[in-house]
Amino acid sequence: AQSVTQLGSHVSVSEGALVLLRCNYSSSVPPYLFWYVQYPNQGLQLLLKYTSAATLVKGINGFEAEFKKSETSFHLTKPSAHMSDAAEYFCAVSVYLDNDMRFGAGTRLTVKP
Amino acid sequence: ETGVTQSPTHLIKTRGQQVTLRCSSQSGHNTVSWYQQALGQGPQFIFQYYREEENGRGNFPPRFSGLQFPNYSSELNVNALELDDSALYLCASSLAIQKRTGELFFGEGSRLTVL
Repeated sequence: AQSVTQLGSHVSVSEGALVLLRCNYSSSVPPYLFWYVQYPNQGLQLLLKYTSAATLVKGINGFEAEFKKSETSFHLTKPSAHMSDAAEYFCAVSVYLDNDMRFGAGTRLTVKP
Repeated sequence: ETGVTQSPTHLIKTRGQQVTLRCSSQSGHNTVSWYQQALGQGPQFIFQYYREEENGRGNFPPRFSGLQFPNYSSELNVNALELDDSALYLCASSLAIQKRTGELFFGEGSRLTVL
């Protein structure tokens, strides 16, 4: 079955610095990959998704991620962190016609002023 | 366009009791998935409903059950509550399986505390 591993449960950056959140996936078939963000006491909001089109995916709020099959990775980046980016970020994987989206354990992003 | 709505937002139960959580799917979506998110963890798949039938289940015991109604809304029922059932329960809706890309649209969740 497909799975994702998020490297680093907590990442701290300064405002204006690069944000890099790491995600590696495992799947026996071509996957769909997602990044979701969760603010305190809220549900999950989709940031971006990879669905086998362009390998560099741009999402909301200036985030982007690159699908690298050779590295089985789908890392999330943002060139310049903003205080409002502080939240929990989840990487997730799904496969076509499967009904079980698998989530990573999450990475908490802290942005320091 | 109405998003996914869940009720209640918070509730407290005691061990052994039963609970029902409700979810209204986003307009146009006929598939509903339920997830359990324990504190500090990622969401774990409970089950999915499509056309009023269970269409896949995660590693949860039978005391977790569900329903989907003709209007695509859904209920999650948990019997014989245990302390470890304390979690945020998330409902997510999506397009028909044949068209789906896997994207899920989440509600804000129901936070259950079991004492």
